[in-house]
Amino acid sequence: GQQLNQSPQSMFIQEGEDVSMNCTSSSIFNTWLWYKQDPGEGPVLLIALYKAGELTSNGRLTAQFGITRKDSFLNISASIPSDVGIYFCAGRGYKLSFGAGTTVTVRA
Amino acid sequence: NAGVTQTPKFQVLKTGQSMTLQCAQDMNHEYMSWYRQDPGMGLRLIHYSVGAGITDQGEVPNGYNVSRSTTEDFPLRLLSAAPSQTSVYFCASSYGGLAERYNEQFFGPGTRLTVL
Repeated sequence: GQQLNQSPQSMFIQEGEDVSMNCTSSSIFNTWLWYKQDPGEGPVLLIALYKAGELTSNGRLTAQFGITRKDSFLNISASIPSDVGIYFCAGRGYKLSFGAGTTVTVRA
Repeated sequence: NAGVTQTPKFQVLKTGQSMTLQCAQDMNHEYMSWYRQDPGMGLRLIHYSVGAGITDQGEVPNGYNVSRSTTEDFPLRLLSAAPSQTSVYFCASSYGGLAERYNEQFFGPGTRLTVL
């Protein structure tokens, strides 16, 4: 089956810190997506990646499509309080699968 | 544009009751889908549609029905609610066709359903 593992499950970060989270798959993916979900809202697309090795930025966010096509990571630079939320990765192999999410809490 | 809208925002049902969760989008997207979100399990696909008149099952379709009579609307029906269907339900839409962008889904704000 198409298993997708996201880590860490949760993290506390200090304002101003750079942080990283990642997703790994048991299968090769041809697309990786990163979403953020604020409390009580639906997920919002942050970054979409379509080529192995691709590195894409969106403001303070940077994501990479792993060269093996089985992993992706998301970096947040210079964390601020509004970075609080749940970050989901999603990948498409034969179907689109979502990770369980990384809950980010910022210490002011 | 309002984007993807969902109603109701909250709902409490008794076991055995039926109801319809509404979803609408005003972006002329061909692809629409329904997900459920449960703690620690990510989003799981219930049903999806690639265009008006076409629907198909996702990963967890049992107990749910859908129809797509227009491009804009994609309602989800719970036939006989069970406690296992307590969850947060999200509707999403995206561009259809062969372009990669059908992966880039826009989500609604969700419906929080409790079945007693």
